[in-house]
Amino acid sequence: AQTVTQSQPEMSVQEAETVTLSCTYDTSENNYYLFWYKQPPSRQMILVIRQEAYKQQNATENRFSVNFQKAAKSFSLKISDSQLGDTAMYFCAFFHTSGTYKYIFGTGTRLKVLA
Amino acid sequence: NAGVTQTPKFQVLKTGQSMTLQCAQDMNHEYMSWYRQDPGMGLRLIHYSVGAGITDQGEVPNGYNVSRSTTEDFPLRLLSAAPSQTSVYFCASSDRGAGETQYFGPGTRLLVL
Repeated sequence: AQTVTQSQPEMSVQEAETVTLSCTYDTSENNYYLFWYKQPPSRQMILVIRQEAYKQQNATENRFSVNFQKAAKSFSLKISDSQLGDTAMYFCAFFHTSGTYKYIFGTGTRLKVLA
Repeated sequence: NAGVTQTPKFQVLKTGQSMTLQCAQDMNHEYMSWYRQDPGMGLRLIHYSVGAGITDQGEVPNGYNVSRSTTEDFPLRLLSAAPSQTSVYFCASSDRGAGETQYFGPGTRLLVL
């Protein structure tokens, strides 16, 4: 069964600094998607970034980028120039494109950006 | 587009009561799912549907029923609420073959006394 592990329950970073959130996953499949979602205090889940496993190039969205290491089954999120509005829970998620067709989420990392 | 909507936003139930959490999407997405979020446990999949008339169980289906009679709606039913079902419930939808990104509703906070 697929699993997603986020080993950092809480992290903090100074405003304007860079922080990396880690995520590892376990699967025997070759085709899948990986996601990072942000959940601010409003509770709304917001997509941050998405990576397709067949693409070797790391996804980037403005200040957010990933380090996707397929062989190591690692999918870390780097936030550059951290802003107060980045304070939120961050969830890593895995989705297999065939078979069970289920999304699997990690337990989340609570990030606090300090002024 | 309203996206994914959920009602109610907050509900208090007594043990043994039944209720239905409503979820609707106006994006014509085939895939819809229900999650519960509990502290320290992330989002856990309750039930999901890959299209009208098709549903399947997720990781924690016990105590919950679903049906999918239309593409737009995916209600979650609690037949006999228990305190262990106190949680925040999220509905989500996605378009198969279009990046698989899930769009989430605002959540329903449920308290079972």
